[in-house]
Amino acid sequence: QKEVEQDPGPLSVPEGAIVSLNCTYSNSAFQYFMWYRQYSRKGPELLMYTYSSGNKEDGRFTAQVDKSSKYISLFIRDSQPSDSATYLCAMSRSNDYKLSFGAGTTVTVRA
Amino acid sequence: GAVVSQHPSRVICKSGTSVKIECRSLDFQATTMFWYRQFPKKSLMLMATSNEGSKATYEQGVEKDKFLINHASLTLSTLTVTSAHPEDSSFYICSARDPLGPATNTQYFGPGTRLTVL
Repeated sequence: QKEVEQDPGPLSVPEGAIVSLNCTYSNSAFQYFMWYRQYSRKGPELLMYTYSSGNKEDGRFTAQVDKSSKYISLFIRDSQPSDSATYLCAMSRSNDYKLSFGAGTTVTVRA
Repeated sequence: GAVVSQHPSRVICKSGTSVKIECRSLDFQATTMFWYRQFPKKSLMLMATSNEGSKATYEQGVEKDKFLINHASLTLSTLTVTSAHPEDSSFYICSARDPLGPATNTQYFGPGTRLTVL
């Protein structure tokens, strides 16, 4: 079993729809949770960074962490074609700066 | 803030030659930098962790004599692929940790370097 599980998709939605992405993990030591966006042939860009359980909102993006279920989510409201990318979840322990990544979900927002 | 650059963005070289890739943190000092390799449609694979002023820590299966890492300053780490072969062709991405920023347990990534070995 992988440490971090993420459905690779692909996921295709119409413009304006809500995009829902999620990851599950097995290691309860993870304390920091991140979502990155990666466009083709580019490096990942940090979208959201959260510590422990809870919700965090930034513009059209909302990240949720449920440590009791070992489940994290990212929601993109009012999706735009420019949101078409691969979204990677990542997480780390409090005493280790290495990141454990999900496989990445490829999202296409259709105009 | 938290911008990381990489140079070159693309490189094509002949088999047997060595290639150096630079990773710079532009607006912060990075005590720790990381080097990843990414294959098409795959997630990132950590190759090594680079700490300023000390030897890099390589992940299992990564040849340290082939992938030389130097982190001589708080803003620069380099990856040298020695005696490159076609199987080393890949997308190499560096990242850096900002120890004084608001997200100290995350990493900021460079734009990546596409290496093609002929």
